[in-house]
Amino acid sequence: EAGVAQSPRYKIIEKRQSVAFWCNPISGHATLYWYQQILGQGPKLLIQFQNNGVVDDSQLPKDRFSAERLKGVDSTLKIQPAKLEDSAVYLCASSPGYGELFGETQYFGPGTRLLVL
Amino acid sequence: AQKVTQAQTEISVVEKEDVTLDCVYETRDTTYYLFWYKQPPSGELVFLIRRNSFDEQNEISGRYSWNFQKSTSSFNFTITASQVVDSAVYFCALSEAGAGANSKLTFGKGITLSVRP
Repeated sequence: EAGVAQSPRYKIIEKRQSVAFWCNPISGHATLYWYQQILGQGPKLLIQFQNNGVVDDSQLPKDRFSAERLKGVDSTLKIQPAKLEDSAVYLCASSPGYGELFGETQYFGPGTRLLVL
Repeated sequence: AQKVTQAQTEISVVEKEDVTLDCVYETRDTTYYLFWYKQPPSGELVFLIRRNSFDEQNEISGRYSWNFQKSTSSFNFTITASQVVDSAVYFCALSEAGAGANSKLTFGKGITLSVRP
């Protein structure tokens, strides 16, 4: 079974530029998450989707970050304009999203390392 | 609010030594889930174990074992006879399951384990 796919793996941009990340979850997984992991810290949830609806975006900086999951499968996360403090690893995860909805095991992709200069 | 504390930041051992990684959590929910993930240098978070709050039975999987104690709000992870391939950052995480909860994971800051030959 294929895991969570993410692209690109690395991205270097200058501040005020825009950038987009793509995620393809494990086949059949209804729930998709985007996390931000700053160097030396644990991942922090940015947004959670259930199918194509948003479950939790309370920690998403909505003035510059946006995310969508139009057909309930793939998702994109965009930053516009980027700031220096957005330098981090952006991790996508998925979980089945049915039956036991709480505490589901999340499976993570390899992440996208973003450096903002 | 839920919180996970991993007080150890870096641990260095010699191969074949046993090592214990500590995790202390805070939650007001009576139902919750605890996880351990491994993050090797490649960056992908690898799922190791999931426990729910009603199952305090310790678990052993090969060289890995976990000790869950609700009385001290701890969920510690022991690697027996460590190997160089165990070198990674290890994260403990908590997911609440009370009213209004989703599957959001709250992570600790991680423990960097270095196993020397």
